[in-house]
Amino acid sequence: KNQVEQSPQSLIILEGKNCTLQCNYTVSPFSNLRWYKQDTGRGPVSLTIMTFSENTKSNGRYTATLDADTKQSSLHITASQLSDSASYICVVSAGSASKIIFGSGTRLSIRP
Amino acid sequence: ETGVTQTPRHLVMGMTNKKSLKCEQHLGHNAMYWYKQSAKKPLELMFVYSLEERVENNSVPSRFSPECPNSSHLFLHLHTLQPEDSALYLCASSQEAGDLLYEQYFGPGTRLTVT
Repeated sequence: KNQVEQSPQSLIILEGKNCTLQCNYTVSPFSNLRWYKQDTGRGPVSLTIMTFSENTKSNGRYTATLDADTKQSSLHITASQLSDSASYICVVSAGSASKIIFGSGTRLSIRP
Repeated sequence: ETGVTQTPRHLVMGMTNKKSLKCEQHLGHNAMYWYKQSAKKPLELMFVYSLEERVENNSVPSRFSPECPNSSHLFLHLHTLQPEDSALYLCASSQEAGDLLYEQYFGPGTRLTVT
């Protein structure tokens, strides 16, 4: 069964600290993976896409990694800011619109 | 703004009502999507349209009826809903329908409450 599991479910950290969010998937065949950020009351916004051949990709303070062998991805946030408070959703594709599997997300709260 | 708008933003309706959700994309995309987002659950894909043709229907109850009159507009017609249908309904668009290589741009959603 195609599944995407994210951990932790929620996380609270102090402003300025770093954190890492995890995504494990069992989707097969693997096509690509996206990390989305969803602010409260808004739709998700893509942060980055990872394809099979990519191991790491950065977007400002966000760095995503992918290990296709262990079927794991992570999203590392450096020097967190209050505006990073949001849900972060890992999404994995098996190659078609109906085979896009969403994780339940990690709710991140940044405290001043 | 993402270029995808949804109206209304909030909707409260009784189980016997009929209402419609509207989505409009200003990005020139060919594909549009409806998703349901319930609390603490993953997004659930409901429908996918490509060039006004429905290409995916994920076993959605018939009380939800989509309509795509053109590639810029998407509607979700609602009738005789159940309380468990209360959720955030998200519309998205992408250049083409397919996998994640085509980034989906989401609207802000309609918060639906069924009483």
